[in-house]
Amino acid sequence: ETAVFQTPNYHVTQVGNEVSFNCKQTLGHDTMYWYKQDSKKLLKIMFSYNNKQLIVNETVPRRFSPQSSDKAHLNLRIKSVEPEDSAVYLCASSFRNSGNTLYFGEGSRLIVV
Amino acid sequence: GQQVQQSPASLVLQEGENAELQCNFSSTATQLQWFYQSPGGSLVSLLSNPSGTKHTGRLTSTTVTKERRSSLHISSSQTTDSGTYLCAIVVSGGNYKPTFGKGTSLVVHP
Repeated sequence: ETAVFQTPNYHVTQVGNEVSFNCKQTLGHDTMYWYKQDSKKLLKIMFSYNNKQLIVNETVPRRFSPQSSDKAHLNLRIKSVEPEDSAVYLCASSFRNSGNTLYFGEGSRLIVV
Repeated sequence: GQQVQQSPASLVLQEGENAELQCNFSSTATQLQWFYQSPGGSLVSLLSNPSGTKHTGRLTSTTVTKERRSSLHISSSQTTDSGTYLCAIVVSGGNYKPTFGKGTSLVVHP
């Protein structure tokens, strides 16, 4: 049963446009993540939040910005998308102090034309 | 940084055969999780197994923490097992960075 919800699941846009992906978890977890999965299926962490605080900010272009209103929500905004941003963006959540078992959403596929 | 190596990169089986997937990691892990991803699908957690042996259905995971390795055994494979199997670790120190391997692509033929 899905408990990490992502919207939209699919988005096609042109180079230079702004895109936002939303993520909500109903598991009561205190930590949320954004991962990027490229065409080779490699998953790379982009950001991590614990109780609304940014704790991991990997080397991603500055056009990517996470936004967290509370510990159940973590959105991802991309200003001025580039072709290399085409990928699947996966949101996940976990409890920090309970083994960090990750639960993923279904992903948001971005295609930049 | 922490690294996760999975082998083999790909595996082709006939239905009914067993599969053995390996995950080796460079740092002491406080958490290790195996995931399944169907083509074009999302990640489904199979097992969380930071140490010892765990079973669920036809899956058995054995993690030897001191040797920094884990295995996932799939018995009596089925065509529906086809997909990508990913291993992820969390390193001690609480750095909130679950790190994934590149995965093993499994194809099971009827």
